[in-house]
Amino acid sequence: DTGVSQNPRHKITKRGQNVTFRCDPISEHNRLYWYRQTLGQGPEFLTYFQNEAQLEKSRLLSDRFSAERPKGSFSTLEIQRTEQGDSAMYLCASSLLSGVEQETQYFGPGTRLLVL
Amino acid sequence: KNQVEQSPQSLIILEGKNCTLQCNYTVSPFSNLRWYKQDTGRGPVSLTIMTFSENTKSNGRYTATLDADTKQSSLHITASQLSDSASYICVVSAVNTGTASKLTFGTGTRLQVTL
Repeated sequence: DTGVSQNPRHKITKRGQNVTFRCDPISEHNRLYWYRQTLGQGPEFLTYFQNEAQLEKSRLLSDRFSAERPKGSFSTLEIQRTEQGDSAMYLCASSLLSGVEQETQYFGPGTRLLVL
Repeated sequence: KNQVEQSPQSLIILEGKNCTLQCNYTVSPFSNLRWYKQDTGRGPVSLTIMTFSENTKSNGRYTATLDADTKQSSLHITASQLSDSASYICVVSAVNTGTASKLTFGTGTRLQVTL
């Protein structure tokens, strides 16, 4: 499978616990994005990487959220001290920045988080 | 503020029928508009992409239109199938200024195709 993969697909945790999600982008894609999607809403941008550099973070990304892409390949998104409001689908997308304006982001299947 | 509004919010149609979904946007400066299909519990999958100069684009039974003057787009589905049941999200991109693709997502239209 050469698409974007995310693990785990589902996560149930208790409030206050830390969780970490992983995203493996399409091979050789240099950009990687994290989004959050709640029920009935479109995805909301959280942050993105170009290679290993985190270039932009949304104001939605509180201090409890941290993302890394240490080798410019896979990425992790950690949420510390989870709150019930963190319950959502976390989507990862990757793209290849090739100088063409219409870069296409390819989405993974998402990780659905439920905080009890 | 960049916004994308979609209508209807949800739609139920019989298998074999056609339907049209609407998207209005206020994203500026406009770069392109995409329609994504998102199955329940899955990530969005791109159906079509249109730039300023394109006013129609087809992908099988899906036909998207774009009126850049009125900032409206539609997605027409012909001869619907049960597998078309999904959310359809309109996504508008602002001109890439060298940072992340500034995507503005609509909230989607939830389509259910029934027998």
